[in-house]
Amino acid sequence: RKEVEQDPGPFNVPEGATVAFNCTYSNSASQSFFWYRQDCRKEPKLLMSVYSSGNEDGRFTAQLNRASQYISLLIRDSKLSDSATYLCQYPPSGGSYIPTFGRGTSLIVHP
Amino acid sequence: NAGVTQTPKFQVLKTGQSMTLQCAQDMNHEYMSWYRQDPGMGLRLIHYSVGAGITDQGEVPNGYNVSRSTTEDFPLRLLSAAPSQTSVYFCASSHGNEQFFGPGTRLTVL
Repeated sequence: RKEVEQDPGPFNVPEGATVAFNCTYSNSASQSFFWYRQDCRKEPKLLMSVYSSGNEDGRFTAQLNRASQYISLLIRDSKLSDSATYLCQYPPSGGSYIPTFGRGTSLIVHP
Repeated sequence: NAGVTQTPKFQVLKTGQSMTLQCAQDMNHEYMSWYRQDPGMGLRLIHYSVGAGITDQGEVPNGYNVSRSTTEDFPLRLLSAAPSQTSVYFCASSHGNEQFFGPGTRLTVL
């Protein structure tokens, strides 16, 4: 099983919709996770951190489900500007210096 | 702070040519890394460094060299470019867990 897996999508939703995607992981030692947003032809940028208690920032909510080993990103009231690719990441662990990224989930919000 | 900067933004090479992609950061981060990103493949780690004078290989190091003579700079060298190295290259730096990415270099090898 790959360390981090994401559904590549695309998730195609109308404006105003609520959309959620998950990122499953296999390294249960991770204490924190991150969601990045990557716009077309741009670099990834940190969107949110995800800890045990979850995290909410405006329309975005990120949660961690340790029992099922996945993190989720929920976007409420989708905007056209939310169209992007969303990558999950967890930091190095077990003596490694290398963070692990998922391949990303593509979101397209249409009018 | 400029964050992570990369030059050039775009580059076209012929097979067999060599070049250096530049990366610099002004955040005093110890950890720096190079990724390539291809459609459907996600970010793949090429080389990384945990501090000046220390480098190590990532997932796809063949055909690339790096050095880290200062904390700020982490250049990536393509020794003899091949069409398979056509990609978008991102440099990143980190102090803790969050990765800060540069704007990327789009490289085409003909």
